[in-house]
Amino acid sequence: SQTIHQWPATLVQPVGSPLSLECTVEGTSNPNLYWYRQAAGRGLQLLFYSVGIGQISSEVPQNLSASRPQDRQFILSSKKLLLSDSGFYLCAWSVLAGNQPQHFGDGTRLSIL
Amino acid sequence: GIQVEQSPPDLILQEGANSTLRCNFSDSVNNLQWFHQNPWGQLINLFYIPSGTKQNGRLSATTVATERYSLLYISSSQTTDSGVYFCAANTGGFKTIFGAGTRLFVKA
Repeated sequence: SQTIHQWPATLVQPVGSPLSLECTVEGTSNPNLYWYRQAAGRGLQLLFYSVGIGQISSEVPQNLSASRPQDRQFILSSKKLLLSDSGFYLCAWSVLAGNQPQHFGDGTRLSIL
Repeated sequence: GIQVEQSPPDLILQEGANSTLRCNFSDSVNNLQWFHQNPWGQLINLFYIPSGTKQNGRLSATTVATERYSLLYISSSQTTDSGVYFCAANTGGFKTIFGAGTRLFVKA
């Protein structure tokens, strides 16, 4: 069966520090991968999606970037964190875009001090 | 783009009660999902239901695609049902739009 892993589960970082969050999927090949952010008490906002290695699409302009160095690995990064980057970050995968369900990892809770 | 609205925003139930959560969407959808986010933040898939009716234990969902809404029914609620319920809609392509959620608290 397919599984999705995210780490770390929680992270506290100072303003201006770099960020690297990792997501890996097991049990499937060539998945579509997604990064979402959830602000406190809000719904989910799509940040990036990827249909293959090295293929990244950004949904909103921001201080973050994403990379997909391997088929089942998706990384969310920042060179310098801002206070507004605080939130809950969720990775998801799907078999095909649009009409197939998305499955989520357990998320990373990021606090910027 | 598509708009997704959920109601009610907050709901408090006594354990054992039934409830109906609603999701309205402004355009035709290829994909409609219901999720439960537990107090630890985990998003659990409940239903993938672009149309029709599905049931899973005490939960069931109905999507009437022609009228652009979906309903999630919770029967005999339990304290473990507490959390936030999201519906999410996709009209094709990669972007899935989430509603703001219904926050449910079930009292023992």
